[in-house]
Amino acid sequence: EIVLTQSPGTLSLSPGERATLSCRASQSISSGYLAWYQQKPGQAPRLLIYGASSRATGIPDRFSGSGSGTDFTLTISRLEPDDFAVYSCQQYGSSPLTFGGGTKVEIK
Amino acid sequence: QEQLVQSGAEVKKPGSSVRVSCKASGDTFNRHVISWVRQAPGQGLEWMGGIIPIFGTSDYAQKFQGRVTITADQSTSTVYMELRSLKSDDTAVYYCVRGPPGGDLLQAYFDFWGQGTLVTVS
Repeated sequence: EIVLTQSPGTLSLSPGERATLSCRASQSISSGYLAWYQQKPGQAPRLLIYGASSRATGIPDRFSGSGSGTDFTLTISRLEPDDFAVYSCQQYGSSPLTFGGGTKVEIK
Repeated sequence: QEQLVQSGAEVKKPGSSVRVSCKASGDTFNRHVISWVRQAPGQGLEWMGGIIPIFGTSDYAQKFQGRVTITADQSTSTVYMELRSLKSDDTAVYYCVRGPPGGDLLQAYFDFWGQGTLVTVS
């Protein structure tokens, strides 16, 4: 099973700042099969990025994904008030599909 | 409009079973993988398994093998997840989720999520 470790656990930033979130895999993820989700309290997650770097439908271009192998990054270029939430990564390169523990982006 | 509409909250006793339903729009049911992902209170997300509804082909995470069954009813475009021998740590919100069209059961990201069903085991 591929274990995904996200860091930091919590990121305290101000609106307008840049957020950089890390997702590290215990083994290489084939074909860059990594996705990122945003989740707000009481809501279902929302897909942001798939294939490590492809934005899902309707996702603004301030969200970008990068990386390959075992190291992946989600970047939010300029945080807007609506972006403060928990972000989780998911690998779908091997079974079982697994998720990281999440990074909370909170208002500083 | 794409929809995944799940059944309501459940309270179950330890050792019992629960069945959660997920009604999908026609296009979703006919073209996409549907999986189940759960989230215990304050915890991360956990994939349980999935199904290709038009074929009835399913697969499960090893952790849940023998305890979970995912089925699909083509007449109502509904997918079901049954979890047996419930324990207190099965208390979670259970989501049905949609994989990409024509996708692989075991290579799926999830682009559409149901509203979630809280299952409480107590």
